[in-house]
Amino acid sequence: SQQGEEDPQALSIQEGENATMNCSYKTSINNLQWYRQNSGRGLVHLILIRSNEREKHSGRLRVTLDTSKKSSSLLITASRAADTASYFCATVSYNTDKLIFGTGTRLQVFP
Amino acid sequence: DAGVIQSPRHEVTEMGQEVTLRCKPISGHNSLFWYRQTMMRGLELLIYFNNNVPIDDSGMPEDRFSAKMPNASFSTLKIQPSEPRDSAVYFCASSSDSFRQPQHFGDGTRLSIL
Repeated sequence: SQQGEEDPQALSIQEGENATMNCSYKTSINNLQWYRQNSGRGLVHLILIRSNEREKHSGRLRVTLDTSKKSSSLLITASRAADTASYFCATVSYNTDKLIFGTGTRLQVFP
Repeated sequence: DAGVIQSPRHEVTEMGQEVTLRCKPISGHNSLFWYRQTMMRGLELLIYFNNNVPIDDSGMPEDRFSAKMPNASFSTLKIQPSEPRDSAVYFCASSSDSFRQPQHFGDGTRLSIL
């Protein structure tokens, strides 16, 4: 079963623009993680944010977490064609202590 | 650093045949996970091991699926007999502390059962 739901399902932008992806989840979490998957490859971990954190940065990536709304967002600034990939949020809930992946957002960045 | 290594990358076989997928986790990681990814169901956890011991196999779809981890550097996922609906991409991942640390994924095995 999937706990996280990403929005939008697909996003197309031009190089240089910012891309924002949202994730909603259902239960109380220990942490939330974002992963990227390039076509034909495995998932690559991007950022982990804990339930007591509100914002985290890594290079051009910015992740926010609102536990009251059970939602998170991933912002990619100044996007590049190489950012084209699917992006997944995944949550570790206190109930199950498992990592449950969302449905993903397919990002296309045009040069 | 060597990442998670899976083999084979692609497997095509006929229904009823035995399929064995292999995984070498990152050295020093004590948790190993097997996932299946399909368009319809997304990414599903099949089973995970901690310190070579299976902890939760509730995601294994049927008794036709089995997984082993004989030592810290090797795991197998076996399907016997295989069926067309088993066609999917199977990923192995490892981490240093179960689900609370980032998981490192292999590039998967794309399995096609004819």
